[in-house]
Amino acid sequence: EAGVAQSPRYKIIEKRQSVAFWCNPISGHATLYWYQQILGQGPKLLIQFQNNGVVDDSQLPKDRFSAERLKGVDSTLKIQPAKLEDSAVYLCASSLDPQGVVYEKLFFGSGTQLSVL
Amino acid sequence: EDKVVQSPLSLVVHEGDTVTLNCSYEVTNFRSLLWYKQEKKAPTFLFMLTSSGIEKKSGRLSSILDKKELSSILNITATQTGDSAIYLCAVIGPYKYIFGTGTRLKVLA
Repeated sequence: EAGVAQSPRYKIIEKRQSVAFWCNPISGHATLYWYQQILGQGPKLLIQFQNNGVVDDSQLPKDRFSAERLKGVDSTLKIQPAKLEDSAVYLCASSLDPQGVVYEKLFFGSGTQLSVL
Repeated sequence: EDKVVQSPLSLVVHEGDTVTLNCSYEVTNFRSLLWYKQEKKAPTFLFMLTSSGIEKKSGRLSSILDKKELSSILNITATQTGDSAIYLCAVIGPYKYIFGTGTRLKVLA
């Protein structure tokens, strides 16, 4: 079975520029997560989708970050404008969770390493 | 506020040593606790522990859940250099998946 696909693998931008990340979850997985992992820290949830609806975006900095999951399949995460402190690995994960209740292990993509200069 | 705390933050051992990693949690309506291994970017699943499955073992790795103490340990025996990684603990509450900060393990040859 194909895993969670993410692109790009690496991105270097200057502050105030914009950037977008793409994620395609495992086929049939209803729940999709975007995590931010700053060096030396655990993953921090940015946004959780159940199909194409948002379940939790309480920690998403909405003044600069946006995310969408049109058609309930793949998803994009955008940062505009980027700040130095946005340098991190952005991980996408998915799980089956057909009822919208979290109960299963997550499957992670290989992540995007973002460096903001 | 829900939280998951791991200790130690980092650990350096020699091949053949046994290590114990700790995870404690305060999560409303706990459902399960999971351990992941993160070698480069993508965490990979190790164990899931629930009320009905409080002990798991796979090769040199084992994990126990203590629901009374709200904690879990991950044991690695006869460590190898390939065990060098960040070990993440995550706790599932309803609609929530909360990660700890991780323990960075380095195994020296």
